[in-house]
Amino acid sequence: DAEITQSPRHKITETGRQVTLACHQTWNHNNMFWYRQDLGHGLRLIHYSYGVQDTNKGEVSDGYSVSRSNTEDLPLTLESAASSQTSVYFCASSPGLRNTGELFFGEGSRLTVL
Amino acid sequence: QQQVKQSPQSLIVQKGGISIINCAYENTAFDYFPWYQQFPGKGPALLIAIRPDVSEKKEGRFTISFNKSAKQFSLHIMDSQPGDSATYFCAARPRAGGTSYGKLTFGQGTILTVHP
Repeated sequence: DAEITQSPRHKITETGRQVTLACHQTWNHNNMFWYRQDLGHGLRLIHYSYGVQDTNKGEVSDGYSVSRSNTEDLPLTLESAASSQTSVYFCASSPGLRNTGELFFGEGSRLTVL
Repeated sequence: QQQVKQSPQSLIVQKGGISIINCAYENTAFDYFPWYQQFPGKGPALLIAIRPDVSEKKEGRFTISFNKSAKQFSLHIMDSQPGDSATYFCAARPRAGGTSYGKLTFGQGTILTVHP
């Protein structure tokens, strides 16, 4: 079955370190998204991509970067981790042109920055 | 900048009761309003969705009521069951043609607990 997988599922790191969260989908979806989930804030969009070589900033993009070199993967990089980036991160994908349909989410990556 | 406001933050309901979660939006250029359900340790999954040209959509025990003039929409869960205990998110999608097209804006989430 097609799916979307995130790794690692849990990560503890130290302030200032670079961290990369992986996201891989096998649906061949054009659109991929990274959200962070924090209590009281819901899901906030970090970065998104509508296709290979396309990346765009979301509402909370400072300190994060993404790259899209193929259809299946959209890794999220924290250049220099900060305690404020402790959160649960969700990757999502959707078919069609510029997300005209349902979002399919991974199971999340819990990141703790000490 | 939160464009979709969701309430309450948490909700406790007895089995068999009605759960009601409300959302209000500010941007009138939204054209699609989904609700997502998230169980602990899992990612959100689409539950039900509505477009602004209808006032109500029902799927089983779940109903969305939409009030376009008030810019509000709500999720009603009839005959609530312990298995409905989860976090619920409302969301809104900007219509095509603008620079924000395709980007869902989510509400803050509601943690629903249904007691047996």
